[in-house]
Amino acid sequence: KNEVEQSPQNLTAQEGEFITINCSYSVGISALHWLQQHPGGGIVSLFMLSSGKKKHGRLIATINIQEKHSSLHITASHPRDSAVYICAVSSYNNNDMRFGAGTRLTVKP
Amino acid sequence: EAGVAQSPRYKIIEKRQSVAFWCNPISGHATLYWYQQILGQGPKLLIQFQNNGVVDDSQLPKDRFSAERLKGVDSTLKIQPAKLEDSAVYLCASSLLWGNTIYFGEGSWLTVV
Repeated sequence: KNEVEQSPQNLTAQEGEFITINCSYSVGISALHWLQQHPGGGIVSLFMLSSGKKKHGRLIATINIQEKHSSLHITASHPRDSAVYICAVSSYNNNDMRFGAGTRLTVKP
Repeated sequence: EAGVAQSPRYKIIEKRQSVAFWCNPISGHATLYWYQQILGQGPKLLIQFQNNGVVDDSQLPKDRFSAERLKGVDSTLKIQPAKLEDSAVYLCASSLLWGNTIYFGEGSWLTVV
């Protein structure tokens, strides 16, 4: 079993829909990251959080440390949000980040 | 602020050939990472540097992969000889220190034929 599990693997939505991507992890963490990867391959860090909730524009990330679960929400989705969204954790026991397999989001106009 | 620079962006080589990738992290970032991302999977750490020292290279296939960061700034990742299964995106990332926000480069796409 992977240390970081994401769901769904693929998600197709209509423009304007509210989107939720989920992430569960099984290790102790110091921080959880949500990353966005566009088809060109480059990765952009969206959020780094260790508790509670963060909001940036139409993006909201929440984390529940007790349940070892995080969600990424996109409100009023737009075709330019189409990308792969990756959840990653920085664990206490490792220096590196452990990554989920990613969720491929396609937003149709 | 300039981001993490990587080159080349794309490379196609035949198996058993060698290839080298270069990374220039964000200025002042002490921690540098090389990740391998195979299509459809999340990135996998190959090696992590803190300045010019190796912190973690436990997942680096040392029989064919090598990496260095001699002056604690730029880094190179070399594969010799390449295998078909090395086809992947090689991502370089940096952070000010471990635990800080991590910044990724655009990646170097390798296809081994």
